[in-house]
This record gives sequence, structure tokens and C-alpha cells, in this order.
Amino acid sequence: DIQMTQSPSNLSASVGARVTITCRASQSISTWLAWYQQKPGKAPKLLIYKASNLESGVPSRFSGSGSGTEFTLTISSLQPDDCATYYCQQYDNFSWTFGQGTKVEVK
Amino acid sequence: QVQLVQSGVEVKKPGASVKVSCTASGYTFTSYGISWVRQAPGQGLEWMGWISVYDGNTNYAQKLQGRVTMTTDTSTNTAYMEMRSLRSEDTAVYYCARFGASLLDGMDVWGQGTTVTVSS
Repeated sequence: DIQMTQSPSNLSASVGARVTITCRASQSISTWLAWYQQKPGKAPKLLIYKASNLESGVPSRFSGSGSGTEFTLTISSLQPDDCATYYCQQYDNFSWTFGQGTKVEVK
Repeated sequence: QVQLVQSGVEVKKPGASVKVSCTASGYTFTSYGISWVRQAPGQGLEWMGWISVYDGNTNYAQKLQGRVTMTTDTSTNTAYMEMRSLRSEDTAVYYCARFGASLLDGMDVWGQGTTVTVSS
């Protein structure tokens, strides 16, 4: 099974800061990666699919990049509403696996 | 609007079964698949499996195979997830989510979640 490792597990940054979250796969997954945002007590929300495609309605400050085994989610200018946990999700052989999550705090 | 509405809270004893429903509205049910994801208290997301509403094909996470069954009823636009032989470790919020023509496009619409508690 492909393992996904997210880093960091937690981060704290000021409003307006540029924030980057990394997701590494244990083997190549091409661009078959999605990113989700989850706020406490709520269902996850799709942000990015196929590594770099912005889901409709998601603010343009969110972007994704990468291919193969290393991927990044970038928030170009952190906003108070971005306080949440972010998960990567990989697709391989008709199955999905989530990373362990990155909790983002806004100072 | 497009939405998935799940059934309510469940409390079960170890060894029992639970069946959670997920009713779709606002889109053509058979044009999308349904996936199930769970989240234990304070933990991350765990993918459980998916079902193609169009043809009934399923794929389950290896660790749940033999205990979980996913089905759909196209006459009521409802998907179901049944889990058997429940253990305390199955205590979690269970989510259904829609995925499109390709599994590669992610899950774009989610239900509100159903809390399942397994306790003696």
C-alpha cells in the first residue's frame, strides 16, 4: 500500500503569511492527489484535485503543485477563515489513502 | 441545491451491525459514485470504500473487507453503508461523499456525517 506523509503536523502563522504544506508518497502517484480542508465539527471540503486543479468556488489564494512523490498545498496569503486541518489524499489502483493531516492555526 | 443528507446518530453494542443511509438530491444520482469515509474521535480521515451507483461496482479498504457492504437504491437516490461485527474501534463519524466520472477528481460533495458509537 502507498503511504502518505504530511508535514508539518501543526503550523501557526500570521494573517497574510504564505503557508506551505507538503505531502510525500511512498511511491510515485503521478498527479493523482487531492487536498481537503476540514473545520472542527464539519465535513471535509475539496480544495484541489489532480494535484493542481482548483475546485470551483475555492479562493485563488489556495494552490497545489507537484507530481510523482512530492506535493505541496500553498496558501498565498493566510486568512482567519483558513484555520482548519488540511488533508492530502492519494489515488492508486482504485483506492484512496489520506495523509495524517496538518492543523493550521492563524495567529 | 446539490446535497447529501445522512441518517441520524447510532449507538450500538459490540458485535452488532449498523446501516447508515445517505440520500442525494439536486443531481442525477446515477451519474456519480458514492464513497464512505470515517473519522474516529480526534483522529484523521480514513477512506472506507466506494460504490459506483451506475453499475454497482464496489471497492473496499482492505482492512474492512468482509465487514462492510455498500449498496445503493436508485429508486430513492439513497446509498447505504452497512458494517457488521462492530468493535469499540469503529466508534467514529461516518461520512458519505460524491465523486464524479473519474475517481481522480476527488470527492466534491459531502454529507453532514453520522456519529456511530459502539459501547457495551
